[in-house]
Amino acid sequence: GAGVSQSPSNKVTEKGKDVELRCDPISGHTALYWYRQSLGQGLEFLIYFQGNSAPDKSGLPSDRFSAERTGGSVSTLTIQRTQQEDSAVYLCASSLALGDLYEQYFGPGTRLTVT
Amino acid sequence: SQQGEEDPQALSIQEGENATMNCSYKTSINNLQWYRQNSGRGLVHLILIRSNEREKHSGRLRVTLDTSKKSSSLLITASRAADTASYFCATVGTASKLTFGTGTRLQVTL
Repeated sequence: GAGVSQSPSNKVTEKGKDVELRCDPISGHTALYWYRQSLGQGLEFLIYFQGNSAPDKSGLPSDRFSAERTGGSVSTLTIQRTQQEDSAVYLCASSLALGDLYEQYFGPGTRLTVT
Repeated sequence: SQQGEEDPQALSIQEGENATMNCSYKTSINNLQWYRQNSGRGLVHLILIRSNEREKHSGRLRVTLDTSKKSSSLLITASRAADTASYFCATVGTASKLTFGTGTRLQVTL
């Protein structure tokens, strides 16, 4: 079956513009996660969803970042007023359910470059 | 922030040799997982070891866990060129949040 997909695969944007990154999880997976990978910070957790709910937003780097999930499926990560330090690969993952024994399946990522 | 360190940061070996990567972490864990990443993009889950396990095998992979030392190792036996990738350990926190190590870049040459 289809894996986790993300779009766009690459995004170049000018500083100050808003961007939306999309994640399509594996069908039937109730848990969805966003991570970011950058040279300076390595791989870091951003936010997770259980269904459409994101109980803990403390991993988001700043209030310019927001995320939503609708219909228990697609999720969108929005970055407002992008800064150069937002340049990174944004990875989405999904798992069948929330719980540490459920494997997380990762998408190919979106490479964001802020110029 | 990252959970811990991995060493070495980079490892270059010849095909057929074994590769060993080490991971240290900081907090108590329920389990530890290893992932592979090709070309800086998607991560692939390799193996999970629970905190009450000391060793686990999967094909050419062998993972050990020492909770007293808060460390784990990944051994890839009889390496192949296709094993060239970055390898990360990850610990699982609340709400299944993965916290990754710094990663080891493995290069397997013919």
